Amino acid sequence: DAGITQSPRHKVTETGTPVTLRCHQTENHRYMYWYRQDPGHGLRLIHYSYGVKDTDKGEVSDGYSVSRSKTEDFLLTLESATSSQTSVYFCAISESKMGADTQYFGPGTRLTVL
Amino acid sequence: AQKVTQAQTEISVVEKEDVTLDCVYETRDTTYYLFWYKQPPSGELVFLIRRNSFDEQNEISGRYSWNFQKSTSSFNFTITASQVVDSAVYFCALSEARFGNEKLTFGTGTRLTIIP
Repeated sequence: DAGITQSPRHKVTETGTPVTLRCHQTENHRYMYWYRQDPGHGLRLIHYSYGVKDTDKGEVSDGYSVSRSKTEDFLLTLESATSSQTSVYFCAISESKMGADTQYFGPGTRLTVL
Repeated sequence: AQKVTQAQTEISVVEKEDVTLDCVYETRDTTYYLFWYKQPPSGELVFLIRRNSFDEQNEISGRYSWNFQKSTSSFNFTITASQVVDSAVYFCALSEARFGNEKLTFGTGTRLTIIP
């Protein structure tokens, strides 16, 4: 199993509060990703990183920001959480260029915004 | 734009029956990659297979087999002699290799229930 952990695993928060989710890997992989999973949509890419301090937007990036100050950590921040951001969030990693390599997923974080 | 369609939202079969999960994809690229992932009730996403567009050979792994047909843009997944442990949501996914557009696009998933 790929060494990927996510924290917290569950979180309940209120609308308007900031939230940060953490993804930590022990594989020293270059690429890291954040997805959200919602019924009827499968998984959708929020942001991804192709190296320390190198990040880019995915298809559903509005309302989210990310940071990567170390190879092993990729943070996802909801600056002001909304109920539409209630979802299950998955982090993934891949060794080489996205698309050309398999992505391995963390265990997920279930976020509820009241 | 790339797209993955899993038309079967839910399937139920009795244990030991064979079952096929359909996946149809759309892409304008000639180089692309197809994946299947399994999401059991515990919630994690488990990688099953990766196939590139130049390799149309079917693949078998134990009770699992995959049928890749470029002519019909399909990458179907068959489980032979199903077991209760196969109950899960299965996702098909596609990525293109074109620079600047290498994202992974998922289908909406098929929930498979194996009835004991």
